Amino acid sequence: DIVMTQGALPNPVPSGESASITCRSSKSLVYKDGKTYLNWFLQRPGQSPQLLTYWTSTRASGVSERFSGSGSGTYFTLKISRVRAEDAGVYYCQQVREYPFTFGSGTKLEIK
Amino acid sequence: QIQLVQSGPELKKPGESVKISCKASGYTFTDYAMHWVKQAPGKGLKWMGWINTYTGKPTYADDFKGRFVFSLEASASTANLQISNLKNEDTATYFCASGEGFAYWGQGTLVTVSS
Repeated sequence: DIVMTQGALPNPVPSGESASITCRSSKSLVYKDGKTYLNWFLQRPGQSPQLLTYWTSTRASGVSERFSGSGSGTYFTLKISRVRAEDAGVYYCQQVREYPFTFGSGTKLEIK
Repeated sequence: QIQLVQSGPELKKPGESVKISCKASGYTFTDYAMHWVKQAPGKGLKWMGWINTYTGKPTYADDFKGRFVFSLEASASTANLQISNLKNEDTATYFCASGEGFAYWGQGTLVTVSS
């Protein structure tokens, strides 16, 4: 199985600052079609996960431009610009390159 | 708009069975696979597997082979998850998810297993 390893954040992050979350996979997430199958989600307390980006860097519909995904191969980053109180929650990366799909353990973002 | 609406919370005893439903609306049900994700209390997300909404063929992650069954009521745009011989460790919130990149999620169904 592909293991997804997420980095931590220096919580709490002051409102208005930027925050970057790292995610590393144990195997390349590039598929034969050339796409890199890495998703990012935000799960706010008591809510369902919300898709932020897919194919590494494509923002999901309705997601703020403050969220940007980047990376390639086995190393990925989600950057949140000008963090706001509503960005608080747990962020998960997920690989959908091969079965079984696997999630990272989650990175908590607290806002000051 | 696109919605996945799941059935309500369940309280079960060890050894019993439970069936959770996930009703899709706002899109063509067979356009996307339906995935199931488990979240134990205070823990992270774990992918359980998926069902092909066109053919009905299920695929299970290794930890979810045997007691877990994915099924469809395609005419009702509904996917179901059945868990038999419930154990304490099955206590969790179960989510259905669909769409490109898991874009759509149900609200989650809390299953509590306790004697």
